[in-house]
Amino acid sequence: KAGVTQTPRYLIKTRGQQVTLSCSPISGHRSVSWYQQTPGQGLQFLFEYFSETQRNKGNFPGRFSGRQFSNSRSEMNVSTLELGDSALYLCASSLARGVEQFFGPGTRLTVL
Amino acid sequence: DQQVKQNSPSLSVQEGRISILNCDYTNSMFDYFLWYKKYPAEGPTFLISISSIKDKNEDGRFTVFLNKSAKHLSLHIVPSQPGDSAVYFCAASGETSGSRLTFGEGTQLTVNP
Repeated sequence: KAGVTQTPRYLIKTRGQQVTLSCSPISGHRSVSWYQQTPGQGLQFLFEYFSETQRNKGNFPGRFSGRQFSNSRSEMNVSTLELGDSALYLCASSLARGVEQFFGPGTRLTVL
Repeated sequence: DQQVKQNSPSLSVQEGRISILNCDYTNSMFDYFLWYKKYPAEGPTFLISISSIKDKNEDGRFTVFLNKSAKHLSLHIVPSQPGDSAVYFCAASGETSGSRLTFGEGTQLTVNP
């Protein structure tokens, strides 16, 4: 079974631009969560989607948004990029709550 | 408010010995706990989990212990191998938080040959 895939793996943007990251969960997994990892803040929860609905949201500004499609693939969007948005963005999928989540390799975003 | 804490940023052990990684939590609503291993520039790899209805779960060389009264869990790796060298994160979720995981800061484990 293929694992969680994320595209692109690396991205360089400049301040003020916007970016869209993509995540394909493990086949059959309907829950997709997004996390941001930075050296200073560790792994922080962004949001979770289940059956195309946002089920949970972390403490991030409205510039961070996401969506999930009927095939469970998910995208996250960051608008008006700031230098502090430079991070590793990780996507995780799971069958349901209370079971393990499996992470993708991440997208390394650098904002210049 | 750091709800999940890993107080040891690093741990160094000899190959073949036991590695014990610790994690404390403050939110009594957490009922499911996981350990992940992470290499730089990669996503976390799931290792082992435990539900709050249990106090121990074992999978090969990895055992997780949960002490609910102390709000403490630990991961034991026996025997430790050089390939175990990585950052280990503990994570927790609660019934009201969906699949949201709250992570600790991580512990860098180094296993010396």
